Amino acid sequence: GQNIDQPTEMTATEGAIVQINCTYQTSGFNGLFWYQQHAGEAPTFLSYNVLDGLEEKGRFSSFLSRSKGYSYLLLKELQMKDSASYLCVPLDSNYQLIWGAGTKLIIKP
Amino acid sequence: GAVVSQHPSWVICKSGTSVKIECRSLDFQATTMFWYRQFPKQSLMLMATSNEGSKATYEQGVEKDKFLINHASLTLSTLTVTSAHPEDSSFYICSARVLGTSDSYEQYFGPGTRLTVT
Repeated sequence: GQNIDQPTEMTATEGAIVQINCTYQTSGFNGLFWYQQHAGEAPTFLSYNVLDGLEEKGRFSSFLSRSKGYSYLLLKELQMKDSASYLCVPLDSNYQLIWGAGTKLIIKP
Repeated sequence: GAVVSQHPSWVICKSGTSVKIECRSLDFQATTMFWYRQFPKQSLMLMATSNEGSKATYEQGVEKDKFLINHASLTLSTLTVTSAHPEDSSFYICSARVLGTSDSYEQYFGPGTRLTVT
């Protein structure tokens, strides 16, 4: 079957760094997306990894290890507006996005 | 670029009526459009995938006669919820896949439509 495992909820402090881990099992693999979703809103694209390694984009970085079925999203210099759910979304062999419940990130002042 | 709009953003309707939701890609042509549903505190659930000019492919458990999808052009797809019931109340989100780019598997999401059936 297809499975995504992320922490349900994390809390961090404004200005700090947080790493959201994700492990996945899919039928085939064609890359992995990270999306951000604020409550009551649609997801917005953060990053896409298809090769192993780290992709950096401003305050956000995403890492992928295909052999381990593992990815993480690193958020630096946290801001209050970063409070949202973060979704680790692998792309399976049929190029379908596989959605889990995501990680709810709470930023405290 | 890659903006997707949805209309309406929210709608309240009476049980038994039908509601149409529009999804448009504003500045690009979409190979494929997707319709999702999301209940509170749950993950997105793919309802159907539609390609322009062909019939939509529905996910298991989604009633195709209840959720009518029309993908008339490369920039417009519509979802009609027929004979709506309170249990159909949900957040409906469309997304579009960009035609002919190296990032062709990225999906751009519309802002969503909140449907409440009374």
